[in-house]
Amino acid sequence: GNSVTQMEGPVTLSEEAFLTINCTYTATGYPSLFWYVQYPGEGLQLLLKATKADDKGSNKGFEATYRKETTSFHLEKGSVQVSDSAVYFCALTNRLSGNQFYFGTGTSLTVIP
Amino acid sequence: GAVVSQHPSWVICKSGTSVKIECRSLDFQATTMFWYRQFPKQSLMLMATSNEGSKATYEQGVEKDKFLINHASLTLSTLTVTSAHPEDSSFYICSARGQTGGNSPLHFGNGTRLTVT
Repeated sequence: GNSVTQMEGPVTLSEEAFLTINCTYTATGYPSLFWYVQYPGEGLQLLLKATKADDKGSNKGFEATYRKETTSFHLEKGSVQVSDSAVYFCALTNRLSGNQFYFGTGTSLTVIP
Repeated sequence: GAVVSQHPSWVICKSGTSVKIECRSLDFQATTMFWYRQFPKQSLMLMATSNEGSKATYEQGVEKDKFLINHASLTLSTLTVTSAHPEDSSFYICSARGQTGGNSPLHFGNGTRLTVT
């Protein structure tokens, strides 16, 4: 079946620190992978995506590389800001599973000045 | 980019009343919309998949007679919480994907905070 496993939070970092949020997946075939961000009291926003192996998604200084050999899609940012404080969700969708989305449990990030 | 508008952003209602939440795709046509429920500090729980012009598909454990979904057009889906009870208080989020389907991303509304007193 399809599933997404995310590193548990909460994560607290100082401003300008390096961020890694781990995400691994289980899927049949070749899923597309996504990172979504949820700011307090809001819905989810697409942060970045990758649709095939070795693709790198990037946006707003965040990056994630689709690694098929390790079934991973870890989110990274070189220097976090206070405004990056949010909950981050890793997700996949898969044609072989009717294009349904599967979400990780979310990782809460707090960046302190 | 694709925009999904959800309304209202918050609502307070009395126990036993019904509440309707609207989800609109503003700049694209959405053949499929999804309704999620999110409990505090938890991930999204898929409630149902709404398909334009046909009946919604509900996830196991979700009462279809309590959570009525209507997807009457390619840009609008509604979720009605009928005879609401305090345990229905939650954050409800809709999402949509365009006609290309496939591996296209989901676009989310900003959510509706429902409080039943």
